[in-house]
Amino acid sequence: DGGITQSPKYLFRKEGQNVTLSCEQNLNHDAMYWYRQDPGQGLRLIYYSQIVNDFQKGDIAEGYSVSREKKESFPLTVTSAQKNPTAFYLCASSMSPKNIQYFGAGTRLSVL
Amino acid sequence: GESVGLHLPTLSVQEGDNSIINCAYSNSASDYFIWYKQESGKGPQFIIDIRSNMDKRQGQRVTVLLNKTVKHLSLQIAATQPGDSAVYFCAEKVPGNTPLVFGKGTRLSVIA
Repeated sequence: DGGITQSPKYLFRKEGQNVTLSCEQNLNHDAMYWYRQDPGQGLRLIYYSQIVNDFQKGDIAEGYSVSREKKESFPLTVTSAQKNPTAFYLCASSMSPKNIQYFGAGTRLSVL
Repeated sequence: GESVGLHLPTLSVQEGDNSIINCAYSNSASDYFIWYKQESGKGPQFIIDIRSNMDKRQGQRVTVLLNKTVKHLSLQIAATQPGDSAVYFCAEKVPGNTPLVFGKGTRLSVIA
């Protein structure tokens, strides 16, 4: 069953804690993306990666970090520097930046 | 600022009627556009796309119209069903390797 898998579905973060959101795809896509969605809002780009071992900042990268060690995986770390992390986080992938992006089911992050 | 926006943030339609969701874009260099549907608590789902060398494209019960003169995009849904209730996003892309830019979205509510 091909697709994009995000885990966990729900995540809680304590004050000062770093948390990592997982995104795995078996579509053999080169490009992967992380978006943040706040209630009633659109999608804002956090980071994207066009190829393994390379990634670029999006519009709201501050307080976040990523890695792209494998083609299939693009984990997002929400660091303690992100003071307002509560949001719905969406991962996407595409064959290339010129192609359709397909999305995972999302991770909802809340602060305890 | 965002280069993609929507005329109507919410739209209520009677079941069986046709729906029209509008989107304005400001970047005249954009040459690729995608419509996504997002149901509550889920990731966006690809509906239909169109390239700038076309002005109309049809799918199953959906039609996308592109008017490059006024930089306007619309999504028409025929015979709207309760399952069509969702938030609809348009996204635009300029040539090259930059990611999609998403609009804020329109919520479509279907009245049974």
